Amino acid sequence: DAKTTQPPSMDCAEGRAANLPCNHSTISGNEYVYWYRQIHSQGPQYIIHGLKNNETNEMASLIITEDRKSSTLILPHATLRDTAVYYCIVRRNYQLIWGAGTKLIIKP
Amino acid sequence: EADIYQTPRYLVIGTGKKITLECSQTMGHDKMYWYQQDPGMELHLIHYSYGVNSTEKGDLSSESTVSRIRTEHFPLTLESARPSHTSQYLCASSGTQGGWGNSPLHFGNGTRLTVT
Repeated sequence: DAKTTQPPSMDCAEGRAANLPCNHSTISGNEYVYWYRQIHSQGPQYIIHGLKNNETNEMASLIITEDRKSSTLILPHATLRDTAVYYCIVRRNYQLIWGAGTKLIIKP
Repeated sequence: EADIYQTPRYLVIGTGKKITLECSQTMGHDKMYWYQQDPGMELHLIHYSYGVNSTEKGDLSSESTVSRIRTEHFPLTLESARPSHTSQYLCASSGTQGGWGNSPLHFGNGTRLTVT
């Protein structure tokens, strides 16, 4: 199963774009890239997912490289409420391989 | 927001007690999951279900059991709680629109279990 590598922590200024990188160099062709975030002890919140193409929704954009070995989650205008642990996950069917995530701190 | 509910939110119980953690979803999702998460650590899948009357063990060995008699309900039971069971238990569900891997999991807010 593919695993992901993320920086353990990042800072971003409020109002700026937050760009969170993820490496998944062993991803297979039928495995999706998912992003979730978790605030304190709440359940993980779904953000976005993709297979090959870049994706955008009301929360974020997902940029996947052409070789699919890495991706970037972009929060276009970070707010203090975006402070959380962000998980980049590779998924096949029922299996989601969770790593330690990136702790993103948004600073005023 | 997804409609998936877990009760209780917090539970403190003595060793040897039998407990059931409740999970219900109102989205009609056929797939449901139970994860275990220790503080500051990643999530580990302990059980999942394809649909009614199907249950499977996940990647992390667990002494808990689950049942799926109704689509919306996926309770988790510990027959005899031990301090090593102290953890957060997260329930999730997903549909099948677009294929299994293409349907996001929606999580409840978890049950934080402490066994004394």
